[in-house]
Amino acid sequence: NAGVTQTPKFQVLKTGQSMTLQCAQDMNHEYMSWYRQDPGMGLRLIHYSVGAGITDQGEVPNGYNVSRSTTEDFPLRLLSAAPSQTSVYFCASRPSLAADTQYFGPGTRLTVL
Amino acid sequence: KQEVTQIPAALSVPEGENLVLNCSFTDSAIYNLQWFRQDPGKGLTSLLLIQSSQREQTSGRLNASLDKSSGRSTLYIAASQPGDSATYLCAGGAGSYQLTFGKGTKLSVIP
Repeated sequence: NAGVTQTPKFQVLKTGQSMTLQCAQDMNHEYMSWYRQDPGMGLRLIHYSVGAGITDQGEVPNGYNVSRSTTEDFPLRLLSAAPSQTSVYFCASRPSLAADTQYFGPGTRLTVL
Repeated sequence: KQEVTQIPAALSVPEGENLVLNCSFTDSAIYNLQWFRQDPGKGLTSLLLIQSSQREQTSGRLNASLDKSSGRSTLYIAASQPGDSATYLCAGGAGSYQLTFGKGTKLSVIP
């Protein structure tokens, strides 16, 4: 198993550009989530999904969209990038709501100029 | 809203020393408490998970405890090694989906 994979590893955007951060897992996990990690702030939940076709907002959802068309993939879209979205983004998955161990991807480091 | 605090923010110890990392949380209705390790530029690796009905969990040189009544968890690392140098994060699970993370303790083990 490759586990949780994320692409790209690094990205630089200009203000106003859009892009999609990719996340995929090959463990057939139902639950997937996106976090952002900022210095001095810890990890904060952006969006999560409890299964294909079902998504919901986390603590800091503004400026981000998600969709879950398959069990494997959970892309995160930035519609109009802002400097405040400069951060490291982590995707995570776990087998089900009853299974508590989360598996994290390696992260995407995003800089918005 | 659950809040998770980790003190100290950074810790430096000589190799071989036993050490304790602290984590406190505000909501005693915690579902579980997890400890993660994060190496620079890397993702998070789950170390230990303690369910709300448990008091502690052990894995090798690591032991994590949970005291819901006091809102505290500790991660004990025995006989520390330079390879233990990393940032350690605790996260409290309240309700079904969300983990609330602390800001982490950056540990440096000096050879």
